[in-house]
Formats: sequence, structure tokens, C-alpha cells
Amino acid sequence: NAGVTQTPKFQVLKTGQSMTLQCAQDMNHNSMYWYRQDPGMGLRLIYYSASEGTTDKGEVPNGYNVSRLNKREFSLRLESAAPSQTSVYFCASSRGAGDILEAFFGQGTRLTVV
Amino acid sequence: GNSVTQMEGPVTLSEEAFLTINCTYTATGYPSLFWYVQYPGEGLQLLLKATKADDKGSNKGFEATYRKETTSFHLEKGSVQVSDSAVYFCALSGGYNKLIFGAGTRLAVHP
Repeated sequence: NAGVTQTPKFQVLKTGQSMTLQCAQDMNHNSMYWYRQDPGMGLRLIYYSASEGTTDKGEVPNGYNVSRLNKREFSLRLESAAPSQTSVYFCASSRGAGDILEAFFGQGTRLTVV
Repeated sequence: GNSVTQMEGPVTLSEEAFLTINCTYTATGYPSLFWYVQYPGEGLQLLLKATKADDKGSNKGFEATYRKETTSFHLEKGSVQVSDSAVYFCALSGGYNKLIFGAGTRLAVHP
């Protein structure tokens, strides 16, 4: 079972470059999420998609855009990368029945912006 | 707003020692509470959960009880192993389809 698959696993960008982080889940989940993980700050929600066709801002959306391409895929785009966006990014999904009961996470993308 | 506070780490224990990681929360309504674990180089995975007051979640020898009166959900294990070394995150369901995480507590268990 693949679960939640993120690509790439590692990336180094120069300031101002753009890139898209890809995420796909094969569990037929309705809801998908993007988090960033920084030392001492836990995971912070960037954007989420409660269901196919909808996206909403989370706690730290500035500098990011998302696309819910279909039920399986949810991508995160950095239009102009900044050093402050150096972080580990996690995609997650959940069944999404109005109350989150369990989220499944990908293995993460470690992004460094120089 | 909703928030989760965990004890700062790292927590360093000898094998077979008793573990407690404190977690308290602030929330409106009646959230579900969770402990997630992150092993080195991996994503987070659900360890246990409790969906209402006085519920006890348990898994792999870990336990946590949802205490509404003290707004706490402390994680305990009677005898830790080296393989339990990881980062542990307390979380609550913060409204429609959202999880709110604590900062995480790193546990290191040595032989």
C-alpha cells in the first residue's frame, strides 16, 4: 500500500526560483493537507482541501499556492522561493467526514532555499 | 483559539524506564485528541487517539487519557525500549477537518 506519496524527497532552490511539490494518495480520501515542520514549532498548516474542488488557507499560507488537481492529487507551489521557506514539508490526507479522525502523512520533502 | 502545549524535550531515558510526556490543550467545544509519532527520516503516524472525555487511547504499550477537567492528554508508557526513540506530537482536531499540533517532544532511549 503506497498511502501518501510525496515528490521530491529533497530539493535545493535558489532565492526567487519556483517549484511545485507533488502529493498523491491512493486511499480514496476526501481531504488533503500541506504542513510545514520547523524546529521547535511543530507542524503548521499551510493549506488544506476539505474535498475535491475546494481549497482553504491554513495558518501560514503566505508565499504558497495549491491546486487540488483531482481527488488523488494535491500540489503545493512556491512561486518565488525565499530562505524563510526552508523547511520540511509534509502532505497528509484524511477520510474527511466532518471531523478528522486520523491523518496519514507522506515521508516529507526537505527543502532548502539558499 | 485552539492550541496544544507539550513539554519541551529532549527527554532522555534508560531502557525499561517509565515515560511521561505532558500535553495540555486549549479548545472550544469537544475536540478529539491524538498522539502522533515520527521516527527518524519518516512522516508522522498516528499512535493513539481519544474522541471524548475520559476515553483512554492505547497502542504499542502507550496510553493517554482524555482529561477534560485538566485539559490534558499526557502520554505514558511503563517500560520504554530503544526502538521508541522518536519525536512525539500531541494534536487536537481544530475544527472541520483540521489538526493542530504541539511543538513535538524528542525522546531518546539508550540501552
